[in-house]
Amino acid sequence: GAVVSQHPSRVICKSGTSVKIECRSLDFQATTMFWYRQFPKQSLMLMATSNEGSKATYEQGVEKDKFLINHASLTLSTLTVTSAHPEDSSFYICSASAQGANYPLHFGNGTRLTVT
Amino acid sequence: EDKVVQSPLSLVVHEGDTVTLNCSYEVTNFRSLLWYKQEKKAPTFLFMLTSSGIEKKSGRLSSILDKKELSSILNITATQTGDSAIYLCARSGGSNYKLTFGKGTLLTVNP
Repeated sequence: GAVVSQHPSRVICKSGTSVKIECRSLDFQATTMFWYRQFPKQSLMLMATSNEGSKATYEQGVEKDKFLINHASLTLSTLTVTSAHPEDSSFYICSASAQGANYPLHFGNGTRLTVT
Repeated sequence: EDKVVQSPLSLVVHEGDTVTLNCSYEVTNFRSLLWYKQEKKAPTFLFMLTSSGIEKKSGRLSSILDKKELSSILNITATQTGDSAIYLCARSGGSNYKLTFGKGTLLTVNP
């Protein structure tokens, strides 16, 4: 079945630094990837939709300059948390779908970001 | 206003019990309704429902969509401790399968 790989699974960084998270579709071409954020005991909140070869579409309230998304190829999207602060500490999850495919989105295993 | 509403938010049962989890959704641009199970990491897919009234079944789990009532239920029979998890309901809509999640139901199955 479709597999999505996310890396790293866990990262600790200092305030002010930037962190890059990668999301790869391993056995299909993902024209669209989605980035979610999840706080403890809460549901997944969509941050942005990433389309291959074009700019990402951000949800209301999500700072595009803070959360940089790049979807340069059909198998890779990256989320960079710039100038991270402790309040950015969260669980970030990506998911991917292929154009025209009527099957459910598959999720990466998530990245636990801790900003100290 | 939430587009996907799940109930109950949490539930504690004993092994062997049967549980029913509820999900209601907003109809705008609705494409399909999905159920996921989330333990420690990312959600794992359970069911995708597109047609009303057709039950989908996988082992002890089953789910059905009611488009008239704009709702879905997830049933788990003969629950086991390994069923303890957060069960997420999501609606997909629009042309790019964007998912909107409910807040989830935290199910705890005690031995």
